[in-house]
Amino acid sequence: EPEVTQTPSHQVTQMGQEVILRCVPISNHLYFYWYRQILGQKVEFLVSFYNNEISEKSEIFDDQFSVERPDGSNFTLKIRSTKLEDSAMYFCASLWDSSQPQHFGDGTRLSIL
Amino acid sequence: SQQGEEDPQALSIQEGENATMNCSYKTSINNLQWYRQNSGRGLVHLILIRSNEREKHSGRLRVTLDTSKKSSSLLITASRAADTASYFCATDSFGNEKLTFGTGTRLTIIP
Repeated sequence: EPEVTQTPSHQVTQMGQEVILRCVPISNHLYFYWYRQILGQKVEFLVSFYNNEISEKSEIFDDQFSVERPDGSNFTLKIRSTKLEDSAMYFCASLWDSSQPQHFGDGTRLSIL
Repeated sequence: SQQGEEDPQALSIQEGENATMNCSYKTSINNLQWYRQNSGRGLVHLILIRSNEREKHSGRLRVTLDTSKKSSSLLITASRAADTASYFCATDSFGNEKLTFGTGTRLTIIP
């Protein structure tokens, strides 16, 4: 069964550094998402992406965050200048259409020192 | 309460028993989904129930949806040690597929 893959599985970065989290969604899916989960808390929506543009973003997704689908297969989340509170598990998800479930990757654990 | 709250927060049962988890939500939904998360791992989709459905089965899983009460339940029958995980409900709304997750139930199956 096709899977969403995320790399790296764990990223350790110094505060203030830029970080790029990578995702390869399922190939025929049209909708792409990033979510995050701070340790011990619920999964929170960050951003949705459709037709090569952001369709919705949450309050968390401020100017330090950006997303890109550079080559039709990868879907990346960039945090420009990381803060301690960005430490979390980041999940990528993709979707074929609204009648189907979202498929999630295994996540990238981001640790900001 | 917040959109998508599960209860109980934690549940421990003996292997072989049935486990029931509940989810409540506040706004109108299109779909309600249940996901499982093993410790430190990704979210595995279990079952999706549409707003016009009342009950759905998949293997040992049974999900009910009561839109009048804005609640859903997940029943796992004949539990196994491998069912130990956190279980989350997640809702979306018509025309907006972003998921709003609940707080989760941490299920422990005692061998």
